Amino acid sequence: DSGVTQTPKHLITATGQRVTLRCSPRSGDLSVYWYQQSLDQGLQFLIQYYNGEERAKGNILERFSAQQFPDLHSELNLSSLELGDSALYFCASSVGEFTGELFFGEGSRLTVL
Amino acid sequence: AQKITQTQPGMFVQEKEAVTLDCTYDTSDPSYGLFWYKQPSSGEMIFLIYQGSYDQQNATEGRYSLNFQKARKSANLVISASQLGDSAMYFCAMREGHSGAGSYQLTFGKGTKLSVIP
Repeated sequence: DSGVTQTPKHLITATGQRVTLRCSPRSGDLSVYWYQQSLDQGLQFLIQYYNGEERAKGNILERFSAQQFPDLHSELNLSSLELGDSALYFCASSVGEFTGELFFGEGSRLTVL
Repeated sequence: AQKITQTQPGMFVQEKEAVTLDCTYDTSDPSYGLFWYKQPSSGEMIFLIYQGSYDQQNATEGRYSLNFQKARKSANLVISASQLGDSAMYFCAMREGHSGAGSYQLTFGKGTKLSVIP
């Protein structure tokens, strides 16, 4: 158990819909990262937050947004969903902004039908 | 150019034998970190081992060791005494340190599927 909690574990929805994925980092970790794992793209970095502020953006679509709340939990919002958004979405956390190992949650598996 | 290259899509190893999973990386940044993660069929990403670019000694964690050859830009994972539970996908990843605002996200390789044979 990495200590990073993600909900929901599985989600099935239809094209055009909007979903929210939730992540609670390990106790004491200030950085939260979101990753997408799909069969064709592999593991792709989406976005990083540190202590509530956005720190880095990767290959995140404009239809996707995220935030980190004062209690350090984070949410990834995916809207206008397309079939290609079906993937495993991971949240990871680390203690610092620039240091520390990244510990991943178990992922949220999104299926768009 | 790919930043992380894992040339072995699949590997087989006999139980109790040692196995080496290859990883080469490409960066011009003097400060970086290298990671190995294990992803079993259940899907979770399990952190195995970390090596910093300035670390003088190779990292070890139990049965896992990282063979870090900086000049060759390789960071191979060695698993000793393989067990059936080691069957999984293994990903090598790199975090580069940039000056200024920085972006410390991980770049992953495509992974190696390890199968341990009884």
